[in-house]
Amino acid sequence: QKEVEQNSGPLSVPEGAIASLNCTYSDRGSQSFFWYRQYSGKSPELIMFIYSNGDKEDGRFTAQLNKASQYVSLLIRDSQPSDSATYLCAVNSYGGSQGNLIFGKGTKLSVKP
Amino acid sequence: DGGITQSPKYLFRKEGQNVTLSCEQNLNHDAMYWYRQDPGQGLRLIYYSQIVNDFQKGDIAEGYSVSREKKESFPLTVTSAQKNPTAFYLCASSIDIPGKGDEQFFGPGTRLTVL
Repeated sequence: QKEVEQNSGPLSVPEGAIASLNCTYSDRGSQSFFWYRQYSGKSPELIMFIYSNGDKEDGRFTAQLNKASQYVSLLIRDSQPSDSATYLCAVNSYGGSQGNLIFGKGTKLSVKP
Repeated sequence: DGGITQSPKYLFRKEGQNVTLSCEQNLNHDAMYWYRQDPGQGLRLIYYSQIVNDFQKGDIAEGYSVSREKKESFPLTVTSAQKNPTAFYLCASSIDIPGKGDEQFFGPGTRLTVL
């Protein structure tokens, strides 16, 4: 069974700080990597995707990918209380009982004013 | 507006009843998925379909059934055989092009409670 691992948290950071969320995956053949944000009681929302090694920036968010280490991370700069949510890492996979994406269980982020 | 709709938003079921959750998308996506999420837990895949009239079991298919008669629709039936159906049910869809369109987009979810 292919796996995606995340620290469940909670990760608590003060407002204005950088939040760093990490994810490791087991399938070396994975090509696509995604970060979803899920507010309590709501459905997941796609916020970032990355396909190549290195960094990808979008506003206050930066996704980092290291395929050799099978590691993907999400940095949130200038964290705001509205960033408080659970962040799900997802990695592509094909066929079998896991569908096309394997999701981690999520890291709960709390940004304190 | 393109998107995924799920209905109802809240559903209450008596023990022994079958219930059907609706999922419709107008994104022209080929693939559709059903997940279950329990409090504090991750997403668990129930069923998925990559093409009309075909679907595959996910990790927790027992006690559930699906159909895919139209590209836009992927209803989920929670049968009386599902022993602990109280959960948040999420439907998703994707283009499903490896390396270019893997991302899934989610509907707003249905919260099912067994009384």
